[in-house]
Amino acid sequence: AQSVSQHNHHVILSEAASLELGCNYSYGGTVNLFWYVQYPGQHLQLLLKYFSGDPLVKGIKGFEAEFIKSKFSFNLRKPSVQWSDTAEYFCAVNRAGTASKLTFGTGTRLQVML
Amino acid sequence: GAGVSQTPSNKVTEKGKYVELRCDPISGHTALYWYRQSLGQGPEFLIYFQGTGAADDSGLPNDRFFAVRPEGSVSTLKIQRTERGDSAVYLCASSLRNGGAGSYNEQFFGPGTRLTVL
Repeated sequence: AQSVSQHNHHVILSEAASLELGCNYSYGGTVNLFWYVQYPGQHLQLLLKYFSGDPLVKGIKGFEAEFIKSKFSFNLRKPSVQWSDTAEYFCAVNRAGTASKLTFGTGTRLQVML
Repeated sequence: GAGVSQTPSNKVTEKGKYVELRCDPISGHTALYWYRQSLGQGPEFLIYFQGTGAADDSGLPNDRFFAVRPEGSVSTLKIQRTERGDSAVYLCASSLRNGGAGSYNEQFFGPGTRLTVL
């Protein structure tokens, strides 16, 4: 069975600080990897995705993530956060080459202070 | 429509009652998913349709939960004899049919229905 671990449950940063959110997955096969974001009062939106190729993927709003296969990790990064990045971030995985179900982590609440 | 829509946005019911939650996927998307998100948790998979048929219903918690998609578009999640533990946000997502790797696998989420069972 697939599982996803997000190590940071609640992160508080000041504006302009750098961000790294951890994500590790467990699955005995090839995977697709995703980061979704949920802004306050809004629905889940895709931030970025990895299917194949370059393990460093860039998403919207200056976010990027690196897939490290040997570590089963897909950490999310942003060099300089903004107050508007305050949201909940979810890492997710599904079986590669399919439209199968997503398995989500428990999420990380990011709070950016002015 | 432009995105996945779900109705109602909020539903309050009493323990033991029956509820139906509706999902309208993005036009042309043949895959449809239901997830449930409890407070402080990530979404948990319930059921996945490819066209009219349930391709994977392994996430349904028990036989009180049932979902249909009779014409391969709109789907309804049905919960019988609701319990307080069913209170959660029920999310629907849709994607283009899987044809292998690539963006066909991206799931687009609706705003959810917040179900409260008193």
